[in-house]
Amino acid sequence: DAGVTQSPTHLIKTRGQQVTLRCSPKSGHDTVSWYQQALGQGPQFIFQYYEEEERQRGNFPDRFSGHQFPNYSSELNVNALLLGDSALYLCASSLAGATEAFFGQGTRLTVV
Amino acid sequence: DQQVKQNSPSLSVQEGRISILNCDYTNSMFDYFLWYKKYPAEGPTFLISISSIKDKNEDGRFTVFLNKSAKHLSLHIVPSQPGDSAVYFCAASIEVPGNQFYFGTGTSLTVIP
Repeated sequence: DAGVTQSPTHLIKTRGQQVTLRCSPKSGHDTVSWYQQALGQGPQFIFQYYEEEERQRGNFPDRFSGHQFPNYSSELNVNALLLGDSALYLCASSLAGATEAFFGQGTRLTVV
Repeated sequence: DQQVKQNSPSLSVQEGRISILNCDYTNSMFDYFLWYKKYPAEGPTFLISISSIKDKNEDGRFTVFLNKSAKHLSLHIVPSQPGDSAVYFCAASIEVPGNQFYFGTGTSLTVIP
């Protein structure tokens, strides 16, 4: 049983560009959450998708957007990249109503 | 505003001894708490959780204690093993479906053989 998989694992982008990160949830999971982990910090909640709708959103600007597909996989899009967007982006999947979440290995984004 | 705090960035413990990792929170609405372990180049792995209706939860070598009046929880690992060396994150949530986790900044545990 594959766990949560994220792609790509590493990415380098130039300031002002746009980036799309992808996540496949654990088999059977229908809810996907995205977190940003800056160096030396804990993960910070970006948003969560369930039934292809954004269900909850953290304190992130509109440059951060997402999508969930009918197969429950998800994308995180970041527009107009800033140097401060450099971080590890983590995807977590869970079952609706469950309190535990399973994380992928993350995508390391570097903005230069 | 950091609602979950781990004030010890690092901890070193001898193999076989007890490791105690601490976590404090400020939001009294939090009613579900989790500990995650993270190795380099991997995502966080769920370790153990506790609901606010309990004050202790045990799973093998891992025990989490919750003191609601002090808004404090701790993770005890006994006996500590070298494979336990990792970064440990405390997380809290309000236990409604789909609610977000608030994470602390992590404590890096080193277990010395």
